[in-house]
Amino acid sequence: GESVGLHLPTLSVQEGDNSIINCAYSNSASDYFIWYKQESGKGPQFIIDIRSNMDKRQGQRVTVLLNKTVKHLSLQIAATQPGDSAVYFCAETPDSSNTGKLIFGQGTTLQVKP
Amino acid sequence: ETGVTQSPTHLIKTRGQQVTLRCSSQSGHNTVSWYQQALGQGPQFIFQYYREEENGRGNFPPRFSGLQFPNYSSELNVNALELDDSALYLCASSLDGNSYNSPLHFGNGTRLTVT
Repeated sequence: GESVGLHLPTLSVQEGDNSIINCAYSNSASDYFIWYKQESGKGPQFIIDIRSNMDKRQGQRVTVLLNKTVKHLSLQIAATQPGDSAVYFCAETPDSSNTGKLIFGQGTTLQVKP
Repeated sequence: ETGVTQSPTHLIKTRGQQVTLRCSSQSGHNTVSWYQQALGQGPQFIFQYYREEENGRGNFPPRFSGLQFPNYSSELNVNALELDDSALYLCASSLDGNSYNSPLHFGNGTRLTVT
């Protein structure tokens, strides 16, 4: 069925370290994936996206890796800062005709220790 | 550039009542999607509106309905409220109903509490 899951509910890292947040998806037909960051009291904020014809995409301090063979997605955050503390969601589009319909995972809480 | 705005920010209703939530899309965006986010969960797709018509619907009953207006703003209506409808309702806008170059941009949501 359609589901997106994350491996860990909470990730705690030291300020300045790199963070890796993982996500597994079940729909092999999904061809578009997005990472969102949600701070307390706010809506999800777009971080980075990737299409299934790519394995890796880089943004500012963030990298998304896609492994279609094992249906795994990861978000890497370099030099993690206190402002990165939030809940991170991966999302997939199971229907390529409607990229507005996203299936979200449960979320991983990232805690950055000073 | 104006982002996605939602109103009201908080709302308390009684079971059985009806509620209308409003959303103004980001400037330049013509597509609006609505999501429900229960506490501690990821958002769940309710439906999407593109050019004033419903363009895809998630697994929600018919008492969840919506509208999109010519200025691309949108409303979410929920009839016969149930306790389980208590959640954060998120609106997201994008350009065109199917565009990989226009990821969803979310508002900060309306927190609905049903008592």
